Amino acid sequence: AQKVTQAQTEISVVEKEDVTLDCVYETRDTTYYLFWYKQPPSGELVFLIRRNSFDEQNEISGRYSWNFQKSTSSFNFTITASQVVDSAVYFCALSEPYNTDKLIFGTGTRLQVFP
Amino acid sequence: GAVVSQHPSWVICKSGTSVKIECRSLDFQATTMFWYRQFPKQSLMLMATSNEGSKATYEQGVEKDKFLINHASLTLSTLTVTSAHPEDSSFYICSGDSSYEQYFGPGTRLTVT
Repeated sequence: AQKVTQAQTEISVVEKEDVTLDCVYETRDTTYYLFWYKQPPSGELVFLIRRNSFDEQNEISGRYSWNFQKSTSSFNFTITASQVVDSAVYFCALSEPYNTDKLIFGTGTRLQVFP
Repeated sequence: GAVVSQHPSWVICKSGTSVKIECRSLDFQATTMFWYRQFPKQSLMLMATSNEGSKATYEQGVEKDKFLINHASLTLSTLTVTSAHPEDSSFYICSGDSSYEQYFGPGTRLTVT
């Protein structure tokens, strides 16, 4: 069965600290996509990244970076030099495009960045 | 990027009444739309998958007679919460599917009094 686990419920850091949000997934399929979304207090989901199961290259986008490791079924997200505006709930999600294409979300990690 | 809108953004209704939420894909055609529900401080839970021109597929535990979904065109899906009760108060989010990527609407906050 598909499952996404975000073990960290809440993380608090001080501005400029680096922080890593963990995501572990379970799937029986060999073809799947992994996602990260940000949900600020306004509620609207903001797409951050999509990674397909055949691309294990790590990705960096500004202060954001992602580490995809199939061997450990993990897709961790690191924010470097965190800022107050990074405060939000972050969701990791999994989809199986050749199954139903629906997204299975993790429980989310609430990140609070203090000045 | 693709844009999805929802209307209304928030609504307050009395217990026993019905509420309709619209989800529109503004600059793309969405053969498939998804409806999620999110309770405070919880994750998004998929309620149903809506395919244009056919009946929606509901997730286990979701009452199809209570949450009526209509996907009449490639750019519009509607969710009607019938005979709403306070426990239906939640944040409802829709998404439109395009090339294996989902684009989310801003959400509708429903409060049933």
